[in-house]
Amino acid sequence: ETGVTQTPRHLVMGMTNKKSLKCEQHLGHNAMYWYKQSAKKPLELMFVYNFKEQTENNSVPSRFSPECPNSSHLFLHLHTLQPEDSALYLCASSQDRGGHEQYFGPGTRLTVT
Amino acid sequence: GQNIDQPTEMTATEGAIVQINCTYQTSGFNGLFWYQQHAGEAPTFLSYNVLDGLEEKGRFSSFLSRSKGYSYLLLKELQMKDSASYLCAVRDQDSTLTFGKGTMLLVSP
Repeated sequence: ETGVTQTPRHLVMGMTNKKSLKCEQHLGHNAMYWYKQSAKKPLELMFVYNFKEQTENNSVPSRFSPECPNSSHLFLHLHTLQPEDSALYLCASSQDRGGHEQYFGPGTRLTVT
Repeated sequence: GQNIDQPTEMTATEGAIVQINCTYQTSGFNGLFWYQQHAGEAPTFLSYNVLDGLEEKGRFSSFLSRSKGYSYLLLKELQMKDSASYLCAVRDQDSTLTFGKGTMLLVSP
């Protein structure tokens, strides 16, 4: 238990569906991150929020839309996804953008059919 | 940008010592991290190096040589529970972490 929770843990959705992934951290951190982890590929940074402001968008397609209503919560809204978007989506947090280690949640295993 | 290279798989025996290497090419270096990730679980922080030398933490140690763009993670007295993927990650001047593909370590009895 790292203090970062994610729901749901597993999600199967069709290409026309709209769904949201939720992340919550109980560590009092100010920076939160979304990563994508695909088989045999490195963790890829998608979005960064620091003090609720988005500071980075790593050329992520617009079918992924992040939302950070406060420092403890982070959402990833999904719509019209493609099968190649199937992956493990990991949320992480750190004290701030320049903080040392990031603490990861358990991830949401997403399958797009 | 960053380019990080680490072996895909390694095997070792319970009680042994194993060294997992990581090499990197970077346009700006601001620290190197090692994470452990068990199958189906979150990556967990193991170590952080920003200066050259060895950092020891129990059975795990991490070494960094900035001039060579090289790090290793040393695991001693291997246990079965050490079977996991070990991720090397480099932080740049903007504090962005770039991860390697990970090294899958299998510890056998």
